[in-house]
Amino acid sequence: AQSVAQPEDQVNVAEGNPLTVKCTYSVSGNPYLFWYVQYPNRGLQFLLKYITGDNLVKGSYGFEAEFNKSQTSFHLKKPSALVSDSALYFCAVRDPILTGGGNKLTFGTGTQLKVEL
Amino acid sequence: DAGVTQSPTHLIKTRGQHVTLRCSPISGHKSVSWYQQVLGQGPQFIFQYYEKEERGRGNFPDRFSARQFPNYSSELNVNALLLGDSALYLCASSPQAVGRPDFMNTEAFFGQGTRLTVV
Repeated sequence: AQSVAQPEDQVNVAEGNPLTVKCTYSVSGNPYLFWYVQYPNRGLQFLLKYITGDNLVKGSYGFEAEFNKSQTSFHLKKPSALVSDSALYFCAVRDPILTGGGNKLTFGTGTQLKVEL
Repeated sequence: DAGVTQSPTHLIKTRGQHVTLRCSPISGHKSVSWYQQVLGQGPQFIFQYYEKEERGRGNFPDRFSARQFPNYSSELNVNALLLGDSALYLCASSPQAVGRPDFMNTEAFFGQGTRLTVV
């Protein structure tokens, strides 16, 4: 089965500074990787995905992610953090389900991002 | 266009009761999945339905069941509620189609969730 790991429970960054939220993955075959953000008492919002092609993926709200096959990482980045970016961030991998022919998202444990003035 | 809508947004149930949660996918999306998110954890996959057929089931007991209707809306049912079933239940819809090349790479769109509290 595929899996992702988010090694940091919380990341603190000052507004205006660059931010990085880390994610590593373990897959067999091609990786289909996603980042989602969750604001308090809300569902998950899609930020970006890596399928194939360029290792730097551009997403919503100025976020981007860097895919690194040799390090099996898919870190989320933003050049200049905003206080409004404070939220819970989840890395996920698409995982096929052999019985039934479906698939599912397998999520990491999440990283709380706190951006302070 | 409306996003994924879930109802109710909150509810409180007593141990041993039954609950039904509802989800309407984005128009045109035929795939609906359900996830359970316990406080402090990432969402855990419960079910996927596509074209009214169950296409996947996560590691949940038989007390959990679901179905998808002809209009692609879905219900999640949980019987004999336990305190540990307290969680945010998320529904996700996707335009992905079984057998298509983009089946694995299509993002899922999530509703705002139903917060279930079992007392």
